[in-house]
Amino acid sequence: DTAVSQTPKYLVTQMGNDKSIKCEQNLGHDTMYWYKQDSKKFLKIMFSYNNKELIINETVPNRFSPKSPDKAHLNLHINSLELGDSAVYFCASSLGQGGLSSSYNSPLHFGNGTRLTVT
Amino acid sequence: DAKTTQPTSMDCAEGRAANLPCNHSTISGNEYVYWYRQIHSQGPQYIIHGLKNNETNEMASLIITEDRKSSTLILPHATLRDTAVYYCIVGRGKSTFGDGTTLTVKP
Repeated sequence: DTAVSQTPKYLVTQMGNDKSIKCEQNLGHDTMYWYKQDSKKFLKIMFSYNNKELIINETVPNRFSPKSPDKAHLNLHINSLELGDSAVYFCASSLGQGGLSSSYNSPLHFGNGTRLTVT
Repeated sequence: DAKTTQPTSMDCAEGRAANLPCNHSTISGNEYVYWYRQIHSQGPQYIIHGLKNNETNEMASLIITEDRKSSTLILPHATLRDTAVYYCIVGRGKSTFGDGTTLTVKP
């Protein structure tokens, strides 16, 4: 199936630990994103990569480091986890990242999320 | 990206049309209007998008006013499975999603 897939689906860990979330898309898209949805359900963009290059980096602590080994993968590594990091993290992809290219209007395709619980 | 305003919640009877409004008065000339929905805690699902003209696909219709300052998403025959949070996004569609409208379809 063509899709955006994230692993793991659930992640429970203790404060201070380091963890990673993986994301892969087989849609042939060249842009990938990480979003965070907290308990208030507000969905906020964290990062965006276009062809392995960082193009959006919202105000996110340095403990969060995205890594894109190729344009089909965008992993999220989190160091020294804190209680406030508990949230659902969504990966997304699209074709193109803005501007007046022909793919300017390409919508986002989301994964099903990773629920991170920090205890 | 332009900011959007949506009602917090709406109800709709099963089988009836659900009309979800969105205001985007600061929209720029080249910005698209996108609609997504999120069912339970699943990943947001793309529904439809448009620039100026009204659009229709197998899921919904999108009506954009002539001045482009507002739009309406229409689910022609709402079902219980359409109960979800609906987000209206303007611009590149790659920015933070607002609170959206919680649509509850009732039997």
